[in-house]
Amino acid sequence: AAGVIQSPRHLIKEKRETATLKCYPIPRHDTVYWYQQGPGQDPQFLISFYEKMQSDKGSIPDRFSAQQFSDYHSELNMSSLELGDSALYFCASSRETGEAFFGQGTRLTVV
Amino acid sequence: AQKVTQAQTEISVVEKEDVTLDCVYETRDTTYYLFWYKQPPSGELVFLIRRNSFDEQNEISGRYSWNFQKSTSSFNFTITASQVVDSAVYFCALSEAMIKAAGNKLTFGGGTRVLVKP
Repeated sequence: AAGVIQSPRHLIKEKRETATLKCYPIPRHDTVYWYQQGPGQDPQFLISFYEKMQSDKGSIPDRFSAQQFSDYHSELNMSSLELGDSALYFCASSRETGEAFFGQGTRLTVV
Repeated sequence: AQKVTQAQTEISVVEKEDVTLDCVYETRDTTYYLFWYKQPPSGELVFLIRRNSFDEQNEISGRYSWNFQKSTSSFNFTITASQVVDSAVYFCALSEAMIKAAGNKLTFGGGTRVLVKP
């Protein structure tokens, strides 16, 4: 069965640079979520989209933005990167009221 | 506000022992969902179970079993006859009632690291 696809899997950026993470949800899933997991921490909700509209927002820094496109894929844009942004970023998708399935994550390292 | 507490940060067992992971939650919602996810060393989050607040029936899936007790706001997870491949971080999570167009963001507990030694 198709799963949530995230790219890239690993990303190394320098401070103050910009990064873009991509997420391709499971086909026919209408909701996409982004989570950030710092080292040794639990995943923290950042933002979600339902049918291409932002549906909920968590502790997402102003330096971050996200959108969902007409083909349902989503991108998380992070600017002015800081060392503290180093984390595992997960995308998840769900259909209607079903459970969320997670991608394998993008490991971002800011140096 | 919702909160999930996993009091055990790390549990070490020898293979074939049983291990129970505790999860206690707080929510003001009357309808909610509880989840368990497994995060192996490779890093991905693997869905294990979802249970809604109206279904207190315990569930068993192979070596995994779950005990949902609404009276104590707990949703504990037991691995029977543990194996080395069970070594991972296990997260308990909570979401409010899944309302279409609002999404069902998850609030995670801090996770419990399980180490199964051969």
